[in-house]
Amino acid sequence: DTGVSQNPRHKITKRGQNVTFRCDPISEHNRLYWYRQTLGQGPEFLTYFQNEAQLEKSRLLSDRFSAERPKGSFSTLEIQRTEQGDSAMYLCASSPARGDEKLFFGSGTQLSVL
Amino acid sequence: GENVEQHPSTLSVQEGDSAVIKCTYSDSASNYFPWYKQELGKRPQLIIDIRSNVGEKKDQRIAVTLNKTAKHFSLHITETQPEDSAVYFCAATLAAGNKLTFGGGTRVLVKP
Repeated sequence: DTGVSQNPRHKITKRGQNVTFRCDPISEHNRLYWYRQTLGQGPEFLTYFQNEAQLEKSRLLSDRFSAERPKGSFSTLEIQRTEQGDSAMYLCASSPARGDEKLFFGSGTQLSVL
Repeated sequence: GENVEQHPSTLSVQEGDSAVIKCTYSDSASNYFPWYKQELGKRPQLIIDIRSNVGEKKDQRIAVTLNKTAKHFSLHITETQPEDSAVYFCAATLAAGNKLTFGGGTRVLVKP
């Protein structure tokens, strides 16, 4: 499967713990996006990267959230001191070079904070 | 920033009938409007998209229309089939490669 890959698929954690998710985009896709989706809602933008540069972060992304894409390939999203309100599906998407807006999504990581 | 409203939130149709989902956007500079289909427990998948220099685009049983003046666009599904049952999301973006802003989604149920 050469699509966007996300790991893990599911994560259950206790409130206050840190969690980290990984996203492997489609090979040679320069742009990588993180979205959050709660039940019955559309995906909400969190942040995106052009290669290794983080170009924009949403106001939704509190100080407890950090994302990296150190070599311009895979990306990680870390949530520190998780809260119950962080429970959601975290979706990663990638798109080709500038000028092509088509986003290809991964299957997401479902986070449950107990 | 961009704001996208989507209606209806749920839509039930009889197999073979047509389904129409409407979206409005707030930023007149937005120029790219994709539609995604998301089946239960699966990833959103792009089904059709339209750019601001085109008024209509069709791909087999699905079509999208865009009215830039009114800032709204619609998805039309003809001859609906049970496999069309899913949640559909519209989205809009300001510039090439920029972030997408999604609507709230429409849950479509096609009754056999």
